[in-house]
Order: sequence, then C-alpha cells, then structure tokens
Amino acid sequence: KNQVEQSPQSLIILEGKNCTLQCNYTVSPFSNLRWYKQDTGRGPVSLTIMTFSENTKSNGRYTATLDADTKQSSLHITASQLSDSASYICVVPRGSNYQLIWGAGTKLIIKP
Amino acid sequence: GAGVSQSPRYKVAKRGQDVALRCDPISGHVSLFWYQQALGQGPEFLTYFQNEAQLDKSGLPSDRFFAERPEGSVSTLKIQRTQQEDSAVYLCASSGTDRNTGELFFGEGSRLTVL
Repeated sequence: KNQVEQSPQSLIILEGKNCTLQCNYTVSPFSNLRWYKQDTGRGPVSLTIMTFSENTKSNGRYTATLDADTKQSSLHITASQLSDSASYICVVPRGSNYQLIWGAGTKLIIKP
Repeated sequence: GAGVSQSPRYKVAKRGQDVALRCDPISGHVSLFWYQQALGQGPEFLTYFQNEAQLDKSGLPSDRFFAERPEGSVSTLKIQRTQQEDSAVYLCASSGTDRNTGELFFGEGSRLTVL
C-alpha cells in the first residue's frame, strides 16, 4: 500500500534550537519526495523536491536528506525562528502520477 | 499574477446551495490541480487540467462536483447542492511543466463551510 508516515506528530522546541522531522514512505515506484510547509489557514509552500539520486538538499535553514534504500527522509531545521511554527508535510507522488500521497504532517511549535 | 490566487477565501453556504470557487493560476502555468483538504488532513486530489483539457477527474467525490478551465487559464470548481460533508478547504495549485512532476505552487485556498 502506498503510504507516507511522519514523526513526530507534533513537536515543541525553543527558539534558536534545531530539530529534525522524519518521513518514511512505501510509495512505489518512486520518483521524488517533497517537503512542504503549511501555516494554519494558508496553502502549502514547497521547501524542497528531492529526486532519487539526491541525498541532501538545503534551502536556507532547511536541510532535507533522502535515503532511497531505506525509504526514509528527514527535514532538519537549524536555528529555529518563531516563524517556523507550522505543519511540515512530506509528500511523495505515485511514480510519475500527479496524484500525491501526503503524510499527516508534523506540527511544529517554536516557543520564545 | 505573482502567485496562485483563489477566491473567495471564505464561503458559507446553506445546505443545498450551489457554490463556485475560482482559481487564477500563475501566468503561463500549463498544469492546474484542485485538492480538497479536510481539517487536520492532507489535501486529497480532486482533478487535473493540462491547459483547457481536464485529463483526470477521478478524485471528484460525486457528480455534484464539476470543474472547468475553458481558456486554459482561470479555473472554476463548482459544487452543486452542497452538503455538510463538503465543508473543507479547497486548494488550487499550478505547475509550469506539462509533465505534472514539477513543483506545485498552491493558492491560499477557499474555506467552504456548509451549514
């Protein structure tokens, strides 16, 4: 069954600290994996898209990793800011199909 | 425009009313997608357009849902005889590629509440 699972479900950290969010997927065939940030009441915003051959990709304070062998990805946030409070969603398309399999997301709360 | 624009942002409808939700994609984007996002859930695919052609409508939950993109730009999602279970945020996304594997740019969504 094509699935995307994320952990933790929620996370609270202090401003300035780092954190890592996890994503495991069983979608096959695999073409790419995406991380989105979604603020409450807003549309998802793309952070990274990682293809099969990419192991690490950075976007500012966000660094995503991908291990296609173990079918795991992580999103590391460095020096968190209050504005990082949001849901972070891992998304995997079904092969070349445009129908995306969405994880349930990790709700991140940054406290001052 | 600079981004994907959706309107209205909020819509309250009485059960049985028809509603129309508009999506204005990023200029020049070929692909357009509609998703339905229930509270606390990930977006569920509804339908996909490549230019004016509706290539997939398999995600539309019933025949009360209808989408169109007559000129290959603006798209409208219409829901007839709304029911309470239609309450959700309806997200529109566009992509500049025609291979539907490119980056998706989402609008802010239209939050529909059916009373």
